[in-house]
Amino acid sequence: NAGVMQNPRHLVRRRGQEARLRCSPMKGHSHVYWYRQLPEEGLKFMVYLQKENIIDESGMPKERFSAEFPKEGPSILRIQQVVRGDSAAYFCASSPTRRDYGYTFGSGTRLTVV
Amino acid sequence: DAKTTQPPSMDCAEGRAANLPCNHSTISGNEYVYWYRQIHSQGPQYIIHGLKNNETNEMASLIITEDRKSSTLILPHATLRDTAVYYCIVDNNNDMRFGAGTRLTVKP
Repeated sequence: NAGVMQNPRHLVRRRGQEARLRCSPMKGHSHVYWYRQLPEEGLKFMVYLQKENIIDESGMPKERFSAEFPKEGPSILRIQQVVRGDSAAYFCASSPTRRDYGYTFGSGTRLTVV
Repeated sequence: DAKTTQPPSMDCAEGRAANLPCNHSTISGNEYVYWYRQIHSQGPQYIIHGLKNNETNEMASLIITEDRKSSTLILPHATLRDTAVYYCIVDNNNDMRFGAGTRLTVKP
């Protein structure tokens, strides 16, 4: 009965490289959410996905960021051409439905851009 | 753009009840109140949620006022491990937006 699995736990990228963050939701959960937490700041909503569909991406930066949740496999948050300001903790959460349960969060991926 | 107001910080003595307030005066009829906490830099942890009635689980109790404009999260016997940032969130259907929360420090 594994929880939400995120990997890698820590990721170091040089400026200009691509970062791929993976999130496997809990078994039976079809809703996935990504949040970003900058150092010493609160959690900021990025995107909400269901299988193969982006439901709400209002928190995603307009450029360089994309997310997917394919029919098979984990959800992926991709950041292209990373910059130092992308350094943050990225958390993924999942839920079985929208209303009746809280979200279960993963342990996060700490991205450091050098 | 959180819909809730929480005090930035609170202290509580170990073993005593911690009562964390939250104002959500603009809440609408179909919006739930959720509480989460984040211990240090870990992933947030769901605590409890409710719509109209008071709720209790193994972690905490949630008291929602009759007009639903405010709520209180109660940790009945706070321990040092309850030191965390506590977030009160009003969620309609797609907007689990976290505010600044309340930093609760449980002191020995």
